Amino acid sequence: QSALTQPASVSGSPGQSITITCTGTSSDVGGYNYVSWYQQHPGKAPKLMIYEVNNRPSGVSNRFSGSKSANTASLTISGLQAEDEADYYCSSFTSTYTLVFGGGTKLTVL
Amino acid sequence: QLQLQESGPGLVKATETLSLTCTVSGGSISSNVYYWDWIRQPPGKGLEWIGGIFSSVSTYYNPSLKSRVTISADTSKSQVSLKVTSVTATDTAIYYCARRGPPTALDFWGQGTVVTVSS
Repeated sequence: QSALTQPASVSGSPGQSITITCTGTSSDVGGYNYVSWYQQHPGKAPKLMIYEVNNRPSGVSNRFSGSKSANTASLTISGLQAEDEADYYCSSFTSTYTLVFGGGTKLTVL
Repeated sequence: QLQLQESGPGLVKATETLSLTCTVSGGSISSNVYYWDWIRQPPGKGLEWIGGIFSSVSTYYNPSLKSRVTISADTSKSQVSLKVTSVTATDTAIYYCARRGPPTALDFWGQGTVVTVSS
């Protein structure tokens, strides 16, 4: 299984909105509404931010939202804050009952 | 509160077997609701799903690692184990265990354990 495709980096200024994309195939992202997004700060374990495309776990800010169109999922962060600077990873369920991650996107808050 | 703690040797010699344990407290690994997964992250690189176990019996593996990986559970000790055979330098990584809510939300993670493969 091939890794999902994410941009290597994105950036934005405080208060702005940014979107990170995650492109797969009809055998993963496009075939199921089972895309998750994770935030990882340096030296820390990843944290679940979005599951099943657009659901937020309890405690996650509503500034984080997810969506999907065909084989591409997106994570949008609105009202950027300095604390949002981190690496972000998408993952998807696949047709072989496995999980696949994206390569990761480094978010820089300018 | 659910807690996951990885443990095992931090240094493994090439060609040998890497063995790690994830001890779960505050929850049951024999639950028929959650999967218990292993994920790794090579230095400076992204996340890679290794595999998982459900209901202490059913296992699922990344096809690229399947021939070398075994995941098992010991419900009496509330532990999930990972074995990777014939390791090479490319198996050097931080290894995480995590709980997965069906079917894909990895909602609780351990702190991770660093494993280095030496030649």
